[in-house]
Amino acid sequence: DAGVTQSPTHLIKTRGQQVTLRCSPKSGHDTVSWYQQALGQGPQFIFQYYEEEERQRGNFPDRFSGHQFPNYSSELNVNALLLGDSALYLCASSPIRLAGGQETQYFGPGTRLLVL
Amino acid sequence: QKEVEQDPGPLSVPEGAIVSLNCTYSNSAFQYFMWYRQYSRKGPELLMYTYSSGNKEDGRFTAQVDKSSKYISLFIRDSQPSDSATYLCAMSLYNNDMRFGAGTRLTVKP
Repeated sequence: DAGVTQSPTHLIKTRGQQVTLRCSPKSGHDTVSWYQQALGQGPQFIFQYYEEEERQRGNFPDRFSGHQFPNYSSELNVNALLLGDSALYLCASSPIRLAGGQETQYFGPGTRLLVL
Repeated sequence: QKEVEQDPGPLSVPEGAIVSLNCTYSNSAFQYFMWYRQYSRKGPELLMYTYSSGNKEDGRFTAQVDKSSKYISLFIRDSQPSDSATYLCAMSLYNNDMRFGAGTRLTVKP
């Protein structure tokens, strides 16, 4: 089992550019969440995708958007990059939802984005 | 006031010591409580998962949740140098939108 995978591992962009980050969930997982982790801080929830739709969103501007594909993989897009967008972007996947069940989230290694 | 407060440390202990890590929170509606371990330049790894109040033990790790005090703890017994990492507490309402603490950086010295 490959676990949660993310690409690329590192990325350097300049202000105003756009970036796309990719995530493949753990086998058997259908829900993908994205988090932003600034240096020295805990991860902050961006949004969650399930059944190819955004189900929940954190306090992030519309510059942050996403997509989930039929194979459950997901993309995070950030437009008009700002210096403050420099962070580690983490993808987490959860198992298939069960009635009354609990879902634990498993994280990928992250994509480190630097905006110059 | 932050929704989840966690002392960032750093915390340094000798090998074999008992480590106590703590978080406080303000939202009494949180139901799910997690502890993650994060090594440098890696993604967080789930250590412990607790629903509602009570204790949970897994090997050298014990998680405690006191909802009346809005306080959660992680204890590490017989700490090892390999335990050196940042420990993140996290909590959520429906285990979707997790709210994290800032993380406590732990070093276990041989």
